[in-house]
Amino acid sequence: DQQVKQNSPSLSVQEGRISILNCDYTNSMFDYFLWYKKYPAEGPTFLISISSIKDKNEDGRFTVFLNKSAKHLSLHIVPSQPGDSAVYFCAASEGSAGGTSYGKLTFGQGTILTVHP
Amino acid sequence: DVKVTQSSRYLVKRTGEKVFLECVQDMDHENMFWYRQDPGLGLRLIYFSYDVKMKEKGDIPEGYSVSREKKERFSLILESASTNQTSMYLCASSGPDRGRTDTQYFGPGTRLTVL
Repeated sequence: DQQVKQNSPSLSVQEGRISILNCDYTNSMFDYFLWYKKYPAEGPTFLISISSIKDKNEDGRFTVFLNKSAKHLSLHIVPSQPGDSAVYFCAASEGSAGGTSYGKLTFGQGTILTVHP
Repeated sequence: DVKVTQSSRYLVKRTGEKVFLECVQDMDHENMFWYRQDPGLGLRLIYFSYDVKMKEKGDIPEGYSVSREKKERFSLILESASTNQTSMYLCASSGPDRGRTDTQYFGPGTRLTVL
């Protein structure tokens, strides 16, 4: 049972335009969401996160939007740059604040983003 | 900066061999994780540990075991390697950060090939 889904295996975007990566989840207990970026032959690096008490979080060119009623989040990259070409994973966590989930994350399958010059 | 290191970047082993993958973190994190990454399947959790000598099975523990004798070190063991364990193995750690422990920091990965 895939609790976190990234339904687009790949996305191709022109440099300077907006990239929108999408993620859907099914577990209503998830309360914290993260995006990771992964280059080939490297480990994923943390990009941005959002708590379920917010609907938007912004960090430079990266913005994450959360729609709890739709159980959907998206990552916007504006403007896109060739160096953004990578695999992007969304991940979700269930109530680790003061709880006992031990920071366990559930990951989506990943979306390969290609930004063309 | 959090640093997570893994003992090998690339490893080639034969079917039936016992394989040890080592992971060390330098941030005094309580939680450590082992994942494997396969195309189209994302990151799948093999095992995790929330304290020294404590371990919990993840989603795909079959064929693997782990050891955490010291807080900074988490080892993944393939008891008898098989070709379907050819994969990228990723170690991660997490610790208290503004009241949460969700943000995981990853090592560079070990590309294991089992022949």
